[in-house]
Order: sequence, then structure tokens, then C-alpha cells
Amino acid sequence: ILNVEQSPQSLHVQEGDSTNFTCSFPSSNFYALHWYRWETAKSPEALFVMTLNGDEKKKGRISATLNTKEGYSYLYIKGSQPEDSATYLCALGGATNKLIFGTGTLLAVQP
Amino acid sequence: DGGITQSPKYLFRKEGQNVTLSCEQNLNHDAMYWYRQDPGQGLRLIYYSQIVNDFQKGDIAEGYSVSREKKESFPLTVTSAQKNPTAFYLCASSTYTDRGPTEAFFGQGTRLTVV
Repeated sequence: ILNVEQSPQSLHVQEGDSTNFTCSFPSSNFYALHWYRWETAKSPEALFVMTLNGDEKKKGRISATLNTKEGYSYLYIKGSQPEDSATYLCALGGATNKLIFGTGTLLAVQP
Repeated sequence: DGGITQSPKYLFRKEGQNVTLSCEQNLNHDAMYWYRQDPGQGLRLIYYSQIVNDFQKGDIAEGYSVSREKKESFPLTVTSAQKNPTAFYLCASSTYTDRGPTEAFFGQGTRLTVV
């Protein structure tokens, strides 16, 4: 079983704080790393798909970096807002198009 | 509107009965996936399919079965052999490249309760 790990499990921050989460994965035979946001009562939605070592992607106040050699990705949120409250999932895409998810980081932003 | 539809949203089943969860997509995606979520846990892969008439077991396939007779449809049957079937089930679909699956699109989920 591929092991995709995320930390922390949960995070409580104040509005305006910047925060970051980690996704760790096996560095061998890497294909792609996905980030998703899953808000309560909604379906998960893709934030980023990254395939190259050193990739950096940005969408508004959210950005992500990728290090395939050491097997980790960081997701950053600058100036957190209450609407950023969600579970953030990373997933590892593989050769057979398997998509394996980590356990997620639950972010709660207090106004 | 293009999308992925799961039905029903809530499902109750008596212990010992098989039940089938529906997943339909009109995104023309080749790959489809079934995941299970339990409280406090992430999404665990049950089965996935890269193409019509082909599917592979995920990490927790025991007690489940699937079919992929049409590109648009990937139904999941929870059999009586599944020891703990009560869970939230999510279906997803994607295209894929030589770098693996592209971004996945998810249905709204089915919450199955065994009574």
C-alpha cells in the first residue's frame, strides 16, 4: 500500500494568519501530486496538480511547492479567511492511474 | 452541465443484503474511482477503472465489486461479505496523461448505513 501522509491532522488559526501543511510520499517512481480542498457538505475540488520537481503553483492566496527527490509537498495559505476552512487533501497519482489520498488536514479559521 | 452524479444520497441496508451505489459521469473521462471515507480518516481507494471493461482493486476491495460496461457508468456493489459497510462513499473521474491521472472530479457522495 502506498503511504501518503499529511500533517498536521488539524489546525486552528485566526483570521489573517498564514499557515502551511505538509504532504509526504514515497519519492521513488513519482508521477504526480494533487492537492484538493474539501469543504463541508460539498465535493472535493482540485487545487493543483504538480508533476515536476521544484514545481510551484499559485491560486489566489494559496500556493504549493513540490520536492520529488525528498518526497514532500507544502501547501501555503496566506492571510487565512474563514472561507478557507476545509479539509485539504493531497493525493499521489501513479503509473496505472491509481490516485491515492492522504488522510487530510482539517483547517479551521476563526474570525 | 457536465458533471458526475452519485445516487442515492442516503441509503439504508439491512445486514446481509447486497446494495449497489450508482455513479454516472458525462465528462467523457476514461478513469473512474470509488473511495470510502470513515470518521476521522481520509479517502481510501476501493476500486478504480482506467477504461471500459477494465478495473483494478484498490487498497480495500474486499467485500466490494464493480463493473465498467459503459464509459459513463461505474456502479459499486457492497456485498454482504463487507464486514463494516457503514461509511460515506465517493465516486470520482478523471482523464489521464503519461504523468498519471489529471485532476479528479467528484460526485456528491452516498452515505450508506447498515441497520
